[in-house]
Amino acid sequence: TQLLEQSPQFLSIQEGENLTVYCNSSSVFSSLQWYRQEPGEGPVLLVTVVTGGEVKKLKRLTFQFGDARKDSSLHITAAQPGDTGLYLCAGDRGGSNYKLTFGKGTLLTVNP
Amino acid sequence: DTEVTQTPKHLVMGMTNKKSLKCEQHMGHRAMYWYKQKAKKPPELMFVYSYEKLSINESVPSRFSPECPNSSLLNLHLHALQPEDSALYLCASSPTMTSYKTEAFFGQGTRLTVV
Repeated sequence: TQLLEQSPQFLSIQEGENLTVYCNSSSVFSSLQWYRQEPGEGPVLLVTVVTGGEVKKLKRLTFQFGDARKDSSLHITAAQPGDTGLYLCAGDRGGSNYKLTFGKGTLLTVNP
Repeated sequence: DTEVTQTPKHLVMGMTNKKSLKCEQHMGHRAMYWYKQKAKKPPELMFVYSYEKLSINESVPSRFSPECPNSSLLNLHLHALQPEDSALYLCASSPTMTSYKTEAFFGQGTRLTVV
């Protein structure tokens, strides 16, 4: 059973288009993170959302945490080739085991 | 220093070899992790160390043996691996000041090939 369902799994778009990636669960998370990973590198933390309904912006990226803290979305405006990569959401159930549960990832390709 | 450093970056080993992967961080993080990642797949958790003690082992085969000598270092000892163990091995660390938020900071990984 996949605790975090991430969609779409693959996305290929043209430069300048907008896109949204979704991360859904039936479980409540204490916090949720979004990472971006380029080939051959480790994932890089983009943002952490903690409060239900929270919206955070990072340049052209907008992250939202659902009111019930069970889902999140990542929206990219005017995508650029440099946005290409594997986007991963990861949830934390809280407590002191420090365990993150990852979604399956979204492989984004932005074509020039 | 905000980095997690992994060595080596690449490793090729035979199925009878013994090798070790090393990970170091100086951010004062007291949770450290080993993940295994296959191409275009998400990282799979292998082990979690919390305050230098093994807190989670995700049913990893005994040919993988983790070690945490101190709060800054994490090793993964490899012995008698199989070709299917070839993958990117990622180390990560996380601050432990707050129990409601876990943020992992990853190293660049070790690309392991078992021949």
